[in-house]
Amino acid sequence: EDKVVQSPLSLVVHEGDTVTLNCSYEVTNFRSLLWYKQEKKAPTFLFMLTSSGIEKKSGRLSSILDKKELSSILNITATQTGDSAIYLCAVEAGYALNFGKGTSLLVTP
Amino acid sequence: DGGITQSPKYLFRKEGQNVTLSCEQNLNHDAMYWYRQDPGQGLRLIYYSQIVNDFQKGDIAEGYSVSREKKESFPLTVTSAQKNPTAFYLCASSRDIFYEQYFGPGTRLTVT
Repeated sequence: EDKVVQSPLSLVVHEGDTVTLNCSYEVTNFRSLLWYKQEKKAPTFLFMLTSSGIEKKSGRLSSILDKKELSSILNITATQTGDSAIYLCAVEAGYALNFGKGTSLLVTP
Repeated sequence: DGGITQSPKYLFRKEGQNVTLSCEQNLNHDAMYWYRQDPGQGLRLIYYSQIVNDFQKGDIAEGYSVSREKKESFPLTVTSAQKNPTAFYLCASSRDIFYEQYFGPGTRLTVT
């Protein structure tokens, strides 16, 4: 059975801190790993990772995939209160996405 | 403006009634998906469709039905056979099944 596990499940940090969110997976026919940010409603797409070791960056967010360790991390530097959200990791295997339960991040002023 | 729309945003139904959730996209995407999200849970796939007039069951299809008569539209019917229908329902689309998915704003269904 395909499995995607995110850790930690929740996290509280102060504005300006750097956070690292983890995602590990066990799937057959791995195709890609995706990160989404979910605020009050629908998830918005952040990154898609297919190759091991290549970092993707967007502003203060970055992510990297380690296919050997079957894992990925999402880093957020200089956190802001607007980063408060649930961060979802999803692994594409076959026809659709398998989602982890998410990491709930709260950034306090 | 390109995007995915879902309606209604909130829906209330009595137990035993069927209800249909709408999902429309104008992104010219071939693939469309329905997910369900429960509190503290990840998204779980209900149904997906790779092309018009074709759809496949996901992990939790029991109690749900879909149709894909037009490329832009993928409505989901929650039938009375679905034991725990109260949830947040998300529709997504992608260029095809190998591309990243984009999500609609969701419909929160409450059945009492």
